[in-house]
Amino acid sequence: EAGVVQSPRYKIIEKKQPVAFWCNPISGHNTLYWYLQNLGQGPELLIRYENEEAVDDSQLPKDRFSAERLKGVDSTLKIQPAELGDSAVYLCASSSDTDTQYFGPGTRLTVL
Amino acid sequence: TQLLEQSPQFLSIQEGENLTVYCNSSSVFSSLQWYRQEPGEGPVLLVTVVTGGEVKKLKRLTFQFGDARKDSSLHITAAQPGDTGLYLCAGAWNAGKSTFGDGTTLTVKP
Repeated sequence: EAGVVQSPRYKIIEKKQPVAFWCNPISGHNTLYWYLQNLGQGPELLIRYENEEAVDDSQLPKDRFSAERLKGVDSTLKIQPAELGDSAVYLCASSSDTDTQYFGPGTRLTVL
Repeated sequence: TQLLEQSPQFLSIQEGENLTVYCNSSSVFSSLQWYRQEPGEGPVLLVTVVTGGEVKKLKRLTFQFGDARKDSSLHITAAQPGDTGLYLCAGAWNAGKSTFGDGTTLTVKP
């Protein structure tokens, strides 16, 4: 069974530029999560989807971050415009009806 | 917001030694997960514990969930260099909500 797929794996952009990350969850997993992880810290939730509905986006900086999961399968996270402090690893995870989450490899973003 | 504190933050030991890392909270969780993360990769699930007092073993790793479901420990016997990584605990509550600790970075020297 394929795991969570994320692309790109690495992205380097200049500040004020837009950037987008893509995630394809494990087949059949209705819950999808986007996390931000800074070096030496645990993942911090940005947004959680149940199917196509964003059920928890309280930690998403909505002035510059947006996300969508239009058909309840894959998802895109966008930052526009990116700031220096956005440099981090962006992780996607999915789960079925349990508390256990399965993570993708992440996208490492560097903002110059 | 439920908080999870992990200790120690860093641990460096020699191959063959035993170690225990801790995950503590003042909140009650419905379940708790342990993950290991290697550089450049996402966290990989090691175990899920659900019942207070539960003990699970995975080869040389022993996981325990506290009786009150507020804390957990991970014990590694005879650590090997391949055990090196960031060990994260995550507590789940209110169906679908989880919080992660900041992890313990373990280095096992050959």
